[in-house]
Formats: sequence, C-alpha cells, structure tokens
Amino acid sequence: EVQLVDSGGGLVQPGGSLRLSCAASGFTFSTYDMHWVRQVSGKGLEWVSGIGSGGDPYYPDSVKGRFTISRENAKNSLYLQMNSLRAGDTAVYYCARGVAVLGGSWYFTLWGRGTLVSVSS
Amino acid sequence: DIQMTQSPSSLSASVGDRVTITCRASQDISNFLAWFQQKPGKAPKSLIYAASTLQGGVPSKFSGSGSGTHFALTIRSLQPEDFATYYCQQYDSFPPTFGQGTKVEIK
Repeated sequence: EVQLVDSGGGLVQPGGSLRLSCAASGFTFSTYDMHWVRQVSGKGLEWVSGIGSGGDPYYPDSVKGRFTISRENAKNSLYLQMNSLRAGDTAVYYCARGVAVLGGSWYFTLWGRGTLVSVSS
Repeated sequence: DIQMTQSPSSLSASVGDRVTITCRASQDISNFLAWFQQKPGKAPKSLIYAASTLQGGVPSKFSGSGSGTHFALTIRSLQPEDFATYYCQQYDSFPPTFGQGTKVEIK
C-alpha cells in the first residue's frame, strides 16, 4: 500500500527539541521530494520544510536555523529535527510527498495522518 | 509570500447538491494550483493539480477551473463522504502556501 506514516510527536517544553519521523512504503521513496507541513489547531496549513531527492533542504524563514530536515533512502524514511521549540510551533505535523515544478515550488500528492507536537511548560 | 484566500470559510449543503468553492491568489499564479480534501483525523487527500487535472482515482464529480488569480473547485452531487474541509494551495512560487480552508457541512 502506498502510504506515509508519521510519528515522533509529543509534549515538549519551550526551548526543547523533538525529532519527527516518517516511514514511506509502496513507492520509490528515493525518487521523490519530501516535505513537512504543519497545521495549527483550527487554523490553516503551513509548509515547514522540504528535501529534494538529491538531499537539498528547503525552509521558510519561520523555521530556518531551528529545524533540520533529512532523509535516509535506504530506510525509506524522512526526519525533522526541531530545536529551540516555541509555543507557536504547536501543531499537527504532516509528512507529504511532493512534485516539483520547474521554476516554482511543489504540490503534494500523498500525505501522512500527522503527528501532534505540543510545546508548553 | 503569495496569499491564498478561500471563500466561503464554511457552507451547508444537502446530499445531491452541487457546490462551488473559490480560491483567490494575491498575484498571478498561472495554473499552478492544487486542491485537496481533509477529513477529521485522516490524512489529507490530493484531488486536483494544475488547476483542473484530477489526481488518479479521484471521481469526476470533482472539477477545478480558473487561472491567474481566480480559481474554483466544484463538487457535483454531494454525497455523505464528500463532507470535509477543502484547501487550495499554490505552487507557482516559493514557499508553497495554502488557503485557510472551506468546511462543507451537511445541512
């Protein structure tokens, strides 16, 4: 079955760290750009990082320097290392498979079910 | 960043109805627009890309239209499984950005 299973969320104190994981199956993981997208409860969606099939990372300014995306193709796995977490990072984090558009960015064709990250003291 | 604005934010409809959701971009994005569906507790599901191209396996009751700054998603003959929240997303520019969502509820 083609799917993404994200995990690793939990409760963390402000300033703390957390590492999210995403296990891919049913498709050739190594050939796809992969991403993390988050959703604050009751609010919209925000793209938080992406990594090309070749390993190049991409970040929006809101998380640059705090979040690190990585992948391990041999394990069909995607990761997000989140440091210096803030209350505003509280959200459900989704792993997503992306399709790149030349000169543009990506649209997302497959999503995980999400993992909840709560940043609170 | 390109701002995406959806309307309405929610709507009530009956089984069998046809509904249309609109999405407006803050600048010209050509046809680099995607739509997807989200149900509570479930993974979002991709419906449409390139403004009007259905993803594989998506029923033809869903259709997308528009280009430039104005787009629409139409759902023909609503069924119980279609009640969900729908989002648009632009991928013309970096970073990709999303609309705030339109919740389709049962009347």
